[in-house]
Amino acid sequence: GQQLNQSPQSMFIQEGEDVSMNCTSSSIFNTWLWYKQDPGEGPVLLIALYKAGELTSNGRLTAQFGITRKDSFLNISASIPSDVGIYFCAGHPSSGAQKLVFGQGTRLTINP
Amino acid sequence: EPEVTQTPSHQVTQMGQEVILRCVPISNHLYFYWYRQILGQKVEFLVSFYNNEISEKSEIFDDQFSVERPDGSNFTLKIRSTKLEDSAMYFCASTGRRQETQYFGPGTRLLVL
Repeated sequence: GQQLNQSPQSMFIQEGEDVSMNCTSSSIFNTWLWYKQDPGEGPVLLIALYKAGELTSNGRLTAQFGITRKDSFLNISASIPSDVGIYFCAGHPSSGAQKLVFGQGTRLTINP
Repeated sequence: EPEVTQTPSHQVTQMGQEVILRCVPISNHLYFYWYRQILGQKVEFLVSFYNNEISEKSEIFDDQFSVERPDGSNFTLKIRSTKLEDSAMYFCASTGRRQETQYFGPGTRLLVL
């Protein structure tokens, strides 16, 4: 089936450091979305990517849709305490399905 | 900024009981979804709904589950006879004309005892 492999599973960094996480799949995805989830809350959309090769920024966040349509990365520059949370990649499989397939998440912890 | 809302935020029920989870999608959105997230795991798709009918569902969405849009604003998920393994966070999501961009509600935490 269509699965997203997200890495790393967890990250422990110092405030001010840059962060990078990625998602890969063995199958093609039509879109890639990056969400952040705080404890007990719903996923909040950070960045949406619609075309292969697309590079998009949202403040300190930058994400790219891989040219092969099988991967995406998210970078966070100059991390701050409120960046703590779980980051999920998600995508629409190329089968045209409406469902979103989610990665397993990257838990980000920041030491002040 | 418009947002998806869900009620209740928490629900505790006995195994075998029926529960109805409610969602109010963003007002001009056309596509509606339910997802669930078992504690500590990833978010899993349950069902999508468009034009008053189910457009796609996962293998999780068996005969115990149903969805309904009873009026112009609410979107509900019913679980007829809850099982222990139904305990999870349930998220509603909606999209507008740009179908790819799904916006999620804050979730309902369901605990089945």
